[in-house]
Amino acid sequence: GQNIDQPTEMTATEGAIVQINCTYQTSGFNGLFWYQQHAGEAPTFLSYNVLDGLEEKGRFSSFLSRSKGYSYLLLKELQMKDSASYLCAVQDSNYQLIWGAGTKLIIKP
Amino acid sequence: IAGITQAPTSQILAAGRRMTLRCTQDMRHNAMYWYRQDLGLGLRLIHYSNTAGTTGKGEVPDGYSVSRANTDDFPLTLASAVPSQTSVYFCASSFSGGSTDTQYFGPGTRLTVL
Repeated sequence: GQNIDQPTEMTATEGAIVQINCTYQTSGFNGLFWYQQHAGEAPTFLSYNVLDGLEEKGRFSSFLSRSKGYSYLLLKELQMKDSASYLCAVQDSNYQLIWGAGTKLIIKP
Repeated sequence: IAGITQAPTSQILAAGRRMTLRCTQDMRHNAMYWYRQDLGLGLRLIHYSNTAGTTGKGEVPDGYSVSRANTDDFPLTLASAVPSQTSVYFCASSFSGGSTDTQYFGPGTRLTVL
């Protein structure tokens, strides 16, 4: 079967760094996406990885290891507005997105 | 309009009633999707359409139908609503439905079936 695993909830301190992990087992792989979702709102695109390595975009970076079926999202210089759920999704062999349940990130002052 | 709109924003529906959730995008995207999001579960694909005139079944299609008469609109119909269809429904669109294709989401419809 297809499976995406992420921690349910994480807590971090404002100004700190947090790493949100995602492991996956899917039928085929055409890329991995990270989305941010604030409570009561729609998911919004953060990053996309299809090759191994690190993609950096401002305070956010995303890493992929295809051989390990593993990705992480790294958030630096955390701000209160970063409190949200972070969704990992893998595009399978049919180009459909398989979604993890999301990681709720709580930022404390 | 800019992006994707959904209507209604929320709805309370009696079981057994028919309901159509509307979705419109103005980005000229070819592919559109309907997902449901339930607490503790990832987004689950209900139906999708890679281009106007074609539709396909996702992971959880039972009890739902869709049509894609033109590029912009992708309505989702519940023929006879049941309480297990209580959920938040998101419509999304992407340029082509292929590799590297980013999906953009509408604001969602919160549906309660009693």
